[in-house]
Amino acid sequence: AQSVTQPDIHITVSEGASLELRCNYSYGATPYLFWYVQSPGQGLQLLLKYFSGDTLVQGIKGFEAEFKRSQSSFNLRKPSVHWSDAAEYFCAVGGALMEYGNKLVFGAGTILRVKS
Amino acid sequence: NAGVTQTPKFRVLKTGQSMTLLCAQDMNHEYMYWYRQDPGMGLRLIHYSVGEGTTAKGEVPDGYNVSRLKKQNFLLGLESAAPSQTSVYFCASRGGRDNEQFFGPGTRLTVL
Repeated sequence: AQSVTQPDIHITVSEGASLELRCNYSYGATPYLFWYVQSPGQGLQLLLKYFSGDTLVQGIKGFEAEFKRSQSSFNLRKPSVHWSDAAEYFCAVGGALMEYGNKLVFGAGTILRVKS
Repeated sequence: NAGVTQTPKFRVLKTGQSMTLLCAQDMNHEYMYWYRQDPGMGLRLIHYSVGEGTTAKGEVPDGYNVSRLKKQNFLLGLESAAPSQTSVYFCASRGGRDNEQFFGPGTRLTVL
């Protein structure tokens, strides 16, 4: 069965510092991987996605993520965090078009706090 | 192009009352989903639909029903609300060849 683990419930970083949010997944086939961000009281916005090809993917707002098949990981990174990045971040895994009902499984989320 | 919209934004119910949440999308997407979000649990899939007239159960379907009579609308019903259904409900839709889902703004439901 599909599953996603985000080991860190909360992370606090200083503004301008680098950021890495961890995501580990379990999936029986080639995964489609996503990172979403949710600001307080808002819906989810897609940051980036990985389907195939280059294992380092670039997203919006200066975020990037690296797919490592050997480690079943898809960690999210940003070189310099801004106060506006404070939000909750969700990693999700899904299958190809006809696999597993096309459903996404989400991790529990990581809340990012940015201190000035 | 409004994307995915949800009605209402907020609702308070008493135990045993019923209500329907409406999700609408204007992107001509085939797939639509209902999730609930609870603290520390991420998003959990309630029901989903792979096309007009079809529905299927997700991870946590008990206590909910859905209908997809029109392609653009996906309704989530609570026949007899319980306090355990207090949550934030998100609708999403997906189209095309990849698995990207587009989310609505959410409905915050409180059951007293």
